[in-house]
Amino acid sequence: AQTVTQSQPEMSVQEAETVTLSCTYDTSESDYYLFWYKQPPSRQMILVIRQEAYKQQNATENRFSVNFQKAAKSFSLKISDSQLGDAAMYFCAYRSAQGNKLVFGAGTILRVKS
Amino acid sequence: KAGVTQTPRYLIKTRGQQVTLSCSPISGHRSVSWYQQTPGQGLQFLFEYFSETQRNKGNFPGRFSGRQFSNSRSEMNVSTLELGDSALYLCASSLTGQGWGTEAFFGQGTRLTVV
Repeated sequence: AQTVTQSQPEMSVQEAETVTLSCTYDTSESDYYLFWYKQPPSRQMILVIRQEAYKQQNATENRFSVNFQKAAKSFSLKISDSQLGDAAMYFCAYRSAQGNKLVFGAGTILRVKS
Repeated sequence: KAGVTQTPRYLIKTRGQQVTLSCSPISGHRSVSWYQQTPGQGLQFLFEYFSETQRNKGNFPGRFSGRQFSNSRSEMNVSTLELGDSALYLCASSLTGQGWGTEAFFGQGTRLTVV
């Protein structure tokens, strides 16, 4: 079974600074997808960024980028120029290429200080 | 395009009762998945429906069940409610659920409180 581990229960960042959230996963599969979801106080899960396992190039979406290390099974999220609206719970998630079940990490609470 | 709609948003039930939650996926999406979110267990996969068939099931007791209708709307039912069933129940829809580009879009959830 696949597992996802987020070792940072909580992180803080100063507005306009950069922060990196860590995620590691365990799988025996070679083809899969990785995601970062954001859950603000409204509780709605919002997709932040996604990565295909067979793509070596790291995904980027505006201020959000990932560092995907397949051999190390690591998938960290970097948020640049942090904004107050980035404050939320962030979940790392794994999905097999063959299915639709998302396996989530425990989440990291991100606090943004003004 | 309307997002994923879950109803009701909040629900309070008594132990032993049963409850039905509803999820309307994004138009055109045929896969609907359900997740339970609790402070202790985090986000856990309940089941997935695709074209009215359960395609995958998580490790939950038989008290948790679901179904999907021909218009892709889905319902999940929990019978004989226990205090531990108190949670945020999230529904996610995707086009087909397999392959690239079929990422899941979530609804705002139903907050169930069992007293």
